[in-house]
Amino acid sequence: NAGVTQTPKFQVLKTGQSMTLQCAQDMNHNSMYWYRQDPGMGLRLIYYSASEGTTDKGEVPNGYNVSRLNKREFSLRLESAAPSQTSVYFCASSLEGGTGGADTQYFGPGTRLTVL
Amino acid sequence: AQSVTQLDSHVSVSEGTPVLLRCNYSSSYSPSLFWYVQHPNKGLQLLLKYTSAATLVKGINGFEAEFKKSETSFHLTKPSAHMSDAAEYFCVVSEWGGGFKTIFGAGTRLFVKA
Repeated sequence: NAGVTQTPKFQVLKTGQSMTLQCAQDMNHNSMYWYRQDPGMGLRLIYYSASEGTTDKGEVPNGYNVSRLNKREFSLRLESAAPSQTSVYFCASSLEGGTGGADTQYFGPGTRLTVL
Repeated sequence: AQSVTQLDSHVSVSEGTPVLLRCNYSSSYSPSLFWYVQHPNKGLQLLLKYTSAATLVKGINGFEAEFKKSETSFHLTKPSAHMSDAAEYFCVVSEWGGGFKTIFGAGTRLFVKA
């Protein structure tokens, strides 16, 4: 099993360019997540998808959009990149029932994005 | 509202000595608590998870954590540090209540000296 895969691993953009980060999981998980990690900080939740067909905002959604393409895939789009979006982006998935306690999240290897 | 405070940004220990990484939290509901480890330029890996079954939780690689509700703490310990334990450790609070909420602590960098 590959677990959670992310593409690309590295990306450099100019301010105003757009791009889509791809994420896929092969664990038949219901829930998927996008985080960003900045120096000296923990991960912050951008968007999540509790189940196929649903998406919801997390802590820092501004400047991003997401698509839950199917149960396996969850993409993150930057429509007009800004230098403040320079970060490492992690995708994660979990089994989840959607109530009460949370399940373990399994993380991808990350995408290092630089916006000039 | 949720919050997570990792009380030390850096901890340095000698190989073979005990490790203590401290975490305090607050939550409005009954959260799940996690410790994840991140090695340089890698994704995060679960060390252990608390979900109210037992207050002392054992994880991988000899790590364990004790949930203390009265102190709202979830400190991570290991009896004897190994060089391979050098990494960043994150305490995490997550819960489903009116949507999914998760807060990561800022992280504690563990250094292990030979």
